[in-house]
Amino acid sequence: DTEVTQTPKHLVMGMTNKKSLKCEQHMGHRAMYWYKQKAKKPPELMFVYSYEKLSINESVPSRFSPECPNSSLLNLHLHALQPEDSALYLCASSQAGQGLNYGYTFGSGTRLTVV
Amino acid sequence: GDSVTQMEGPVTLSEEAFLTINCTYTATGYPSLFWYVQYPGEGLQLLLKATKADDKGSNKGFEATYRKETTSFHLEKGSVQVSDSAVYFCALSVPPGGKLIFGQGTELSVKP
Repeated sequence: DTEVTQTPKHLVMGMTNKKSLKCEQHMGHRAMYWYKQKAKKPPELMFVYSYEKLSINESVPSRFSPECPNSSLLNLHLHALQPEDSALYLCASSQAGQGLNYGYTFGSGTRLTVV
Repeated sequence: GDSVTQMEGPVTLSEEAFLTINCTYTATGYPSLFWYVQYPGEGLQLLLKATKADDKGSNKGFEATYRKETTSFHLEKGSVQVSDSAVYFCALSVPPGGKLIFGQGTELSVKP
């Protein structure tokens, strides 16, 4: 299995809703990432988990809450989002440490619309 | 700080034309270099990579050579197809544990 699977593919939520994005990989990668991507822009790093522990938070607002329940799963919990949070949310994984030299594997993303 | 600069797009080519997308980088350490491709409505796919100077990464007819002397990693393809239409991102990571840093992306449109 060489894939990162993200669900759902599309999500529409109101500003008062609570929802979660899910990401799963079975490649044995111990580093997992959340990125946000606006149209025709490069992905922006949000969070990094290394060995199931949060190692980087790129000053992301608290309405985004990541969780890594085990080495294969990564969640992003969403609450009280704003319309400007509408974007493509990408999950990625990689080998940790020196394995970063070999690149990341990205999922297909969740296209989020906040209304 | 570490950064990547790509040629601006969009780039429009006719089918079977030669493609070059320029990428230069600035890095404090000795980076690994990558090209990612994003097809419309999809996530990013790793297209090719190079981890040391003079390495050539290649995949699906695309090639890029890690040039330390010119700090460049230009993407080339000899004959593009309509199916190559996508956004191409050059990226680097500086070990150990460096983040993946992206260029701004170059949109390629190939016309029949």
